[in-house]
Amino acid sequence: EDKVVQSPLSLVVHEGDTVTLNCSYEVTNFRSLLWYKQEKKAPTFLFMLTSSGIEKKSGRLSSILDKKELFSILNITATQTGDSAIYLCAVGIASGSRLTFGEGTQLTVNP
Amino acid sequence: NAGVMQNPRHLVRRRGQEARLRCSPVKGHSHVYWYRQLPEEGLKFMVYLQKENIIDESGMPKERFSAEFPKEGPSILRIQQVVRGDSAAYFCASSTDLNTEAFFGQGTRLTVV
Repeated sequence: EDKVVQSPLSLVVHEGDTVTLNCSYEVTNFRSLLWYKQEKKAPTFLFMLTSSGIEKKSGRLSSILDKKELFSILNITATQTGDSAIYLCAVGIASGSRLTFGEGTQLTVNP
Repeated sequence: NAGVMQNPRHLVRRRGQEARLRCSPVKGHSHVYWYRQLPEEGLKFMVYLQKENIIDESGMPKERFSAEFPKEGPSILRIQQVVRGDSAAYFCASSTDLNTEAFFGQGTRLTVV
């Protein structure tokens, strides 16, 4: 059975801190890994990663995939209170249609 | 350029009633997915549809649940004879094809009383 595990499950930091969120997976026929941000509503797409070692960046957020060790990290630098949310990691497989989601990391950024 | 639109945002049903959840995908997206999020849990895949076809319904309960994506109009997730355990947030997502990112709607929060 496909499995996606995120850590930590929750994290509390102060504004300005840098955080690293982890996602490890065990799937057959890996196709892509996606990160989403969920704030009490729709999960908002952040990144899709398909190749190892290529960092994707968007402002203060960046992510990288390691297909050999089967994990990805999401970095957020200079955190702001608006970064408080649940960050979801999901994996898609080549032959299938579904995304398998992890439980999410609840990030709280305090002023 | 509207994103994925779901309605209603909130739905309250009594046990035994039917719930109908609607999803209009992003314009030009022909792949629709439904996910369920139970309180304090992650998103769980239910069903994947393309226009007029159910492609993968392996995550959907065999009884009481059905989904469709007609040639015209939104995708519908239908839950018959709802029970308390059906209370959850139901999210719809759409994509252009299997190898692109899926965009999610705001979800429908179903409460069964």
